[in-house]
Amino acid sequence: DTGVSQDPRHKITKRGQNVTFRCDPISEHNRLYWYRQTLGQGPEFLTYFQNEAQLEKSRLLSDRFSAERPKGSFSTLEIQRTEQGDSAMYLCASSLRTGGTDTQYFGPGTRLTVL
Amino acid sequence: AQKVTQAQTEISVVEKEDVTLDCVYETRDTTYYLFWYKQPPSGELVFLIRRNSFDEQNEISGRYSWNFQKSTSSFNFTITASQVVDSAVYFCALSEAGMNRDDKIIFGKGTRLHILP
Repeated sequence: DTGVSQDPRHKITKRGQNVTFRCDPISEHNRLYWYRQTLGQGPEFLTYFQNEAQLEKSRLLSDRFSAERPKGSFSTLEIQRTEQGDSAMYLCASSLRTGGTDTQYFGPGTRLTVL
Repeated sequence: AQKVTQAQTEISVVEKEDVTLDCVYETRDTTYYLFWYKQPPSGELVFLIRRNSFDEQNEISGRYSWNFQKSTSSFNFTITASQVVDSAVYFCALSEAGMNRDDKIIFGKGTRLHILP
């Protein structure tokens, strides 16, 4: 069983450009989460999906951010009109939500640098 | 509101020494989960342990052990006989429990651990 994968691993862009990141969860995991981690901080929750439904969005997720999970498999996170403050590591995690407990497994992250 | 505090920003110890990473949490929930994750220089968060708030039994896994004390809202992590490969940032984290939980994890700011050869 392969782990969570993310693409690209690194992205450098100029302010004002749009960027899109992809996350492939562990197969059969029905929940998928996006977190953002800035330097010296712990990851912060952005949004999550159960299957294809986006169930919650953090107030950190401005209107420039949009996430999708078509068909309940991979997910994309798009940032429009990037700003320097968007520079961070974007982490994806997946879990199998059952009636009991579950554990989130994280991908390697996409490091975004906005110049 | 939920909060996780890791007061130790950075720790350095010599290889083979024991080291304890402190974690204090705040929550109004009566049921919750506590976690520790390791983030090596490669950047990927590696799951170490999950503990249910009902289970205060301490746990040992090889050189790792965890001390959960509900009375002091602490969930400390000890590495025995540390090794250079243990060098990483360690995060303590918290999530709510219950039927309608969203499972989002609240992380502390992390403790950067340096194991010196």
